[in-house]
Amino acid sequence: GQNIDQPTEMTATEGAIVQINCTYQTSGFNGLFWYQQHAGEAPTFLSYNVLDGLEEKGRFSSFLSRSKGYSYLLLKELQMKDSASYLCAVVDSNYQLIWGAGTKLIIKP
Amino acid sequence: GAVVSQHPSRVICKSGTSVKIECRSLDFQATTMFWYRQFPKKSLMLMATSNEGSKATYEQGVEKDKFLINHASLTLSTLTVTSAHPEDSSFYICSARESGGGADTQYFGPGTRLTVL
Repeated sequence: GQNIDQPTEMTATEGAIVQINCTYQTSGFNGLFWYQQHAGEAPTFLSYNVLDGLEEKGRFSSFLSRSKGYSYLLLKELQMKDSASYLCAVVDSNYQLIWGAGTKLIIKP
Repeated sequence: GAVVSQHPSRVICKSGTSVKIECRSLDFQATTMFWYRQFPKKSLMLMATSNEGSKATYEQGVEKDKFLINHASLTLSTLTVTSAHPEDSSFYICSARESGGGADTQYFGPGTRLTVL
């Protein structure tokens, strides 16, 4: 079956760095999304990786290794507003989205 | 974990026809379901919130007469795109909130790719 694994919850300190991991086993691969979702709001797009490597976008970076079925989202200089759920989603060979359950990130002062 | 399915996964239709997309929560009851539209590599745009047994709440700018939503049971919501046009071509994704779950307990479906010719 198809599976996306990411930690349920993580806690980090304001100003620090946190890495949220996502591993996947899917039928085919056509890209991986990271979304941020604040409670009660729609998910917002953070990144899309289809090739191996690190993509940096401001305080957020996303890494992909297709051979390992692995991605991570790196958040630097954490701010209180970064407290949210972070969703990993893989596009499979049928261009369907396979969603992870999300990682709830709690930022402490 | 909780599973949400969508049917069909892909549909191609002619301009002017109507298309119905189903969203089902397979192993839990969902009093609330959400319908999103995704444009390439962009955020999910919330279209409407569907509550079981009541009328859907549409977001600003979404035509309720064009995107008909029905949430007839605790496990099924449908989105009907009426008189579809090529600009309606998109990826439609539903999510379901488990009954009694918190605001962040949403489970997403795999999406339905609609292509209007």
